[in-house]
Amino acid sequence: DGGITQSPKYLFRKEGQNVTLSCEQNLNHDAMYWYRQDPGQGLRLIYYSQIVNDFQKGDIAEGYSVSREKKESFPLTVTSAQKNPTAFYLCASLNAGVGEQFFGPGTRLTVL
Amino acid sequence: GDSVTQMEGPVTLSEEAFLTINCTYTATGYPSLFWYVQYPGEGLQLLLKATKADDKGSNKGFEATYRKETTSFHLEKGSVQVSDSAVYFCALRRGTGTASKLTFGTGTRLQVTL
Repeated sequence: DGGITQSPKYLFRKEGQNVTLSCEQNLNHDAMYWYRQDPGQGLRLIYYSQIVNDFQKGDIAEGYSVSREKKESFPLTVTSAQKNPTAFYLCASLNAGVGEQFFGPGTRLTVL
Repeated sequence: GDSVTQMEGPVTLSEEAFLTINCTYTATGYPSLFWYVQYPGEGLQLLLKATKADDKGSNKGFEATYRKETTSFHLEKGSVQVSDSAVYFCALRRGTGTASKLTFGTGTRLQVTL
């Protein structure tokens, strides 16, 4: 089955530590996205990548970094510079032909 | 910039009641409009979409009509079920291709009781 996988589902981090969230897709989509979801605020775009080895900042990129070395993979690193990292993180990819984004199941990050 | 405004929730309905969740948008040009649904602890699933004015998107008994004159895309369902309990997000996308991005509303939680 084609789809998007995110791991882990739950992640706990101590303050001051960097942590990397995994996102993998086998849909052969060029564009991929990372969103952050907080209660009552909807989804906010962190970073997006239109193609391998290219990515752009979204609306709330500070304290985050990404890489796109392979078409299938778009990992997100939450650095210690992110002041309030506890949130639900969603990865998505775009079927450009029909203009629809497909979402992974999400990773819930909690900073202890 | 682009924005999407949804009615605040939670919306609480009895099973078989009629549902309306309001969504209005601000954007230049002719955006595509979407409704996504999120069940507890899961990612978002596309529910329906409309790409031009007067288009009606429909899926699983849900409908929404792209009204450019009122910049609205209200979600409706004639008879809700307990299994429809979820958070519903309205979104718009301006532009096409890989450079286009989604702008989301804040989401509306629907609770359906027996």
